[in-house]
Amino acid sequence: QSALTQPPSASGSPGQSVTISCIGTSSDVGVYNYVSWYQQHPGKAPKLMIYEVTKRPSGVPDRFSGSKSGNTASLTVSGLQAEDEADYYCSSYAGNNNLVFGGGTKLTVL
Amino acid sequence: QLQLQESGPGLVKPSETLSLTCSVSGGSVRSDNHYWGWIRQPPGMGLEWIGNMYYSGNTYYSPSLKSRVTISVDTSKNQFSLKLSSVTAADTAVYYCARTLSWYHFEYWGQGTLVTVSS
Repeated sequence: QSALTQPPSASGSPGQSVTISCIGTSSDVGVYNYVSWYQQHPGKAPKLMIYEVTKRPSGVPDRFSGSKSGNTASLTVSGLQAEDEADYYCSSYAGNNNLVFGGGTKLTVL
Repeated sequence: QLQLQESGPGLVKPSETLSLTCSVSGGSVRSDNHYWGWIRQPPGMGLEWIGNMYYSGNTYYSPSLKSRVTISVDTSKNQFSLKLSSVTAADTAVYYCARTLSWYHFEYWGQGTLVTVSS
């Protein structure tokens, strides 16, 4: 059982927006602004898409955005494109030098 | 461009020790403000953080694996390593090495290496 809870699946049509949630607790997501999001295509290594809740590494399209409210973090993908179809994982610092991941969400572009 | 490459046996027997090395090129493990980590992914499942280390030798381990994990660095070879003792089938996974952007976020990843625990 993963420490952070994500929906197993999400979907949207090209051009639409989709939001993926990541539910934590007051010991991780709720108290630290160290939430990250990773994109993973089949057979590939994960790629950092969002860090520190809202920041995008260089080269990540601004169609990807992150937010947080209380114990829930969210990743929004706007203007969905076929190449966005992938698994997405959230992670959060959980204090005491511990890092936790979510179980992952499979995003399907219809 | 920083590159990381995992290497080690692809098959380990139950109760033995899994040993992997991550070779770093295009940068130095003695990089200030960057930590180096290991993450694993069982087949068809999600990511699990194993631990992070700094080149000075400071290490940080997942509470669930702490009793069996050792992460170390060899600055002369620009490598860092993972040892996981007393493995079982539940340790079968793709193991990734990575460099953090800060302690909390993994910016650069190796391609991953599958380690199967089986007799």
